[in-house]
Amino acid sequence: GAGVSQTPSNKVTEKGKYVELRCDPISGHTALYWYRQSLGQGPEFLIYFQGTGAADDSGLPNDRFFAVRPEGSVSTLKIQRTERGDSAVYLCASSFKRETEAFFGQGTRLTVV
Amino acid sequence: QKEVEQNSGPLSVPEGAIASLNCTYSDRGSQSFFWYRQYSGKSPELIMSIYSNGDKEDGRFTAQLNKASQYVSLLIRDSQPSDSATYLCALYNQGGKLIFGQGTELSVKP
Repeated sequence: GAGVSQTPSNKVTEKGKYVELRCDPISGHTALYWYRQSLGQGPEFLIYFQGTGAADDSGLPNDRFFAVRPEGSVSTLKIQRTERGDSAVYLCASSFKRETEAFFGQGTRLTVV
Repeated sequence: QKEVEQNSGPLSVPEGAIASLNCTYSDRGSQSFFWYRQYSGKSPELIMSIYSNGDKEDGRFTAQLNKASQYVSLLIRDSQPSDSATYLCALYNQGGKLIFGQGTELSVKP
C-alpha cells in the first residue's frame, strides 16, 4: 500500500479482555516497529521485527503482550487480560531495512474501561 | 541517563523567528538520526534525517549533527504558526532499535 495502515483506529475494550491490533507496513519494507505513546510522552519502544523474526522485544512490558509477523509483512500486536494502564495510542512504523527512515501509521487508540 | 534527551518545553517563538530544538544521546555507536513532527492527535511525521556530522538543509529546516558531542539539533527558519507541534528526536541505537526522545513542544505565536 501507499503508507502504513493500522486497524482499528479506535478500540474500546473491557478490562480483562483480549485485543489484537493490526499493522500493514509499506510494501517492501522489511523492518517493522511497534510503539506505545501516552499523552505528553514520546513513543515508547515495544518490539521490532526484521522480516519474520522479532529482532528486539525488550520493550514489551510483560508477558501479556505478544506480537507476530508470520509472513514478514502484516504484524499483529496481541494483548491478553487487558488492564486500564494499557490504555494508550499504539503506533506502528516500517522502514525499508534497518537504520533507514521509518514511517508511521495513523495509530490505534486503545481504551480499556 | 536517558538514551535520547530533549527539553520538553514548551518553546515559544514569534512568527518569523528561528526556532532551535536540541537533542542529546548516550549511545556513541548511533549513526542514523531523525526529526519527526507530531501534531496533536496525529502520528509522528518524518521531516529530516541526518547521518553525517555537519548541517543538512531542507527548505526552512536545518538539521545539525555533532557525533563527538553526541548532539543533534533542528533549526526552523521563518517559523510559522503551522509549525506549532511537538518535535521528536529519534535515532537507531547499536542494536538497531529506533528510539525516541520525549519531544519538545513548539508554539509559534502570530
